[in-house]
Amino acid sequence: SQQGEEDPQALSIQEGENATMNCSYKTSINNLQWYRQNSGRGLVHLILIRSNEREKHSGRLRVTLDTSKKSSSLLITASRAADTASYFCATVTSNDYKLSFGAGTTVTVRA
Amino acid sequence: DAGVIQSPRHEVTEMGQEVTLRCKPISGHNSLFWYRQTMMRGLELLIYFNNNVPIDDSGMPEDRFSAKMPNASFSTLKIQPSEPRDSAVYFCASSLKPQETQYFGPGTRLLVL
Repeated sequence: SQQGEEDPQALSIQEGENATMNCSYKTSINNLQWYRQNSGRGLVHLILIRSNEREKHSGRLRVTLDTSKKSSSLLITASRAADTASYFCATVTSNDYKLSFGAGTTVTVRA
Repeated sequence: DAGVIQSPRHEVTEMGQEVTLRCKPISGHNSLFWYRQTMMRGLELLIYFNNNVPIDDSGMPEDRFSAKMPNASFSTLKIQPSEPRDSAVYFCASSLKPQETQYFGPGTRLLVL
């Protein structure tokens, strides 16, 4: 079953704009991970944020985690055409090893 | 490191045929995962190996699916006999530890006619 649910399902923005997508989950987690998938490719890991962390940055990416609301957000700043992809959040619960993936957010960056 | 390697990248076969997908994880990674991705069901975990031992195969759809990991550098996923509903992209992923970052291969796109 999918624990993480991304919102929105699809997002279209202009190059240079910021893109924000959210992930909600249902049970306590050990960590939450964000992945990117370009069309026809495998998933690429972006950021892992642990349950005791609130914010992490990696280049133009910023991830926040609010365990009280059981939600996370991924912000892509100054978007580029190359950021066009599907973005997935995946959660790992405290007593498990599995990554539970959401259905993903499809981001289209228009030139 | 070359990353996770999967072969073949594309496979077209006829219903009833045996299909074998192959995966070479990243050297030193102790955990290996097989996933299936379809539009309808998204990403599904099929089976998980830790130190070459199958830990959880509850995601394997049915007895037609089997997976092996004879050593730390090689795993196979076999479908026999294949059916059209098995058409999907199959990914292999590996990680240092079970709960940590997973590194995905490029996937095998399987089409069963």
